[in-house]
Amino acid sequence: RKEVEQDPGPFNVPEGATVAFNCTYSNSASQSFFWYRQDCRKEPKLLMSVYSSGNEDGRFTAQLNRASQYISLLIRDSKLSDSATYLCVVNEWAAGNKLTFGGGTRVLVKP
Amino acid sequence: DVKVTQSSRYLVKRTGEKVFLECVQDMDHENMFWYRQDPGLGLRLIYFSYDVKMKEKGDIPEGYSVSREKKERFSLILESASTNQTSMYLCASSSRTALLEKLFFGSGTQLSVL
Repeated sequence: RKEVEQDPGPFNVPEGATVAFNCTYSNSASQSFFWYRQDCRKEPKLLMSVYSSGNEDGRFTAQLNRASQYISLLIRDSKLSDSATYLCVVNEWAAGNKLTFGGGTRVLVKP
Repeated sequence: DVKVTQSSRYLVKRTGEKVFLECVQDMDHENMFWYRQDPGLGLRLIYFSYDVKMKEKGDIPEGYSVSREKKERFSLILESASTNQTSMYLCASSSRTALLEKLFFGSGTQLSVL
């Protein structure tokens, strides 16, 4: 089983709609969580950290469910520019700050 | 803005060749990393370095080596390239004083080994 798993998609989303997707992690010792965004043929860039209480950044909301070992990302009022691959990243502090990346979820926002 | 520069965007090499991938960052970051990215597998850590002349193996170090002679430069070496090393290679850096998780990536090198 992969340490960090994501539905590869693609999620085809009408412009203006809401889309949400999850990322599951296998190691319960994982201690911090992040979403990175990667545009086609570009490098990944940090989108947002995921806090225990959940957090929002504009149209983006991230949630953490430790009991079920998953994190989620919700995008409201989708824009064409939100089309990208979203990478889930899990950090295990006890393993020396080892970052483990998921395979990514592709989102396509269409007019 | 942090700039992480990788020497080549595309490389084509032959099986058995020695390949050097260079990465330079301009923000005096202590930490530097080499990842490879393959469809469906995510980014996998090859090697990393937390200081000059220091290196640590990541998850998939076999077939690779690294060099960090200067703080700003981290080189990835494929001693004898093989076809299964065809991949996108991404270099990243981060500051020790900041959250480790904020990685700044270079634009990547697409390596094809024929």
